[in-house]
Amino acid sequence: GAVVSQHPSWVICKSGTSVKIECRSLDFQATTMFWYRQFPKQSLMLMATSNEGSKATYEQGVEKDKFLINHASLTLSTLTVTSAHPEDSSFYICSARYSSTDTQYFGPGTRLTVL
Amino acid sequence: LAKTTQPISMDSYEGQEVNITCSHNNIATNDYITWYQQFPSQGPRFIIQGYKTKVTNEVASLFIPADRKSSTLSLPRVSLSDTAVYYCLVGEAGSYQLTFGKGTKLSVIP
Repeated sequence: GAVVSQHPSWVICKSGTSVKIECRSLDFQATTMFWYRQFPKQSLMLMATSNEGSKATYEQGVEKDKFLINHASLTLSTLTVTSAHPEDSSFYICSARYSSTDTQYFGPGTRLTVL
Repeated sequence: LAKTTQPISMDSYEGQEVNITCSHNNIATNDYITWYQQFPSQGPRFIIQGYKTKVTNEVASLFIPADRKSSTLSLPRVSLSDTAVYYCLVGEAGSYQLTFGKGTKLSVIP
């Protein structure tokens, strides 16, 4: 139980294009999902908290107009990296909160490479 | 959120029991402790979570002393496949957010 998927697992795009990453909780409903970014040899950094049916809350230093988050259902949150640039290349990981135990379950991650 | 401190790295031989201790001196009354395992290029995998005393599941045990200022993750009889980074996190019930530290890189040696 408590499985979270992400799609795609990896994506390569040209600079200036937009990329959408999906995060799904497969066997539970999640009113709250989180998006993290991880650079090589570093720890996970929280980018934003996504609540179903409301606007996401972004961490300091994360541009909300660049990283668009939509949490339209209890099982799906999407992160769109708009006008991607090479410095946006990173490993993006989502998590979904399992409310019964207050535990976050993580997706497998999406490797974004911007050329 | 309570700050956590754990060793940067640890080495262990296969078959040994590994204990990773995490300190969280300013843990609050309603905070709980969660451990995750992460392999390269994968999302963190939930290992165990606890509030006080001892919690055991099929893969690990979590020991939390009465003052809750530290916790120890115990991995019985590690194998090469347990080589990973282990994160200790303290979460506040209801706030949902977790702050990742640097974690402990465990290397299991044949």
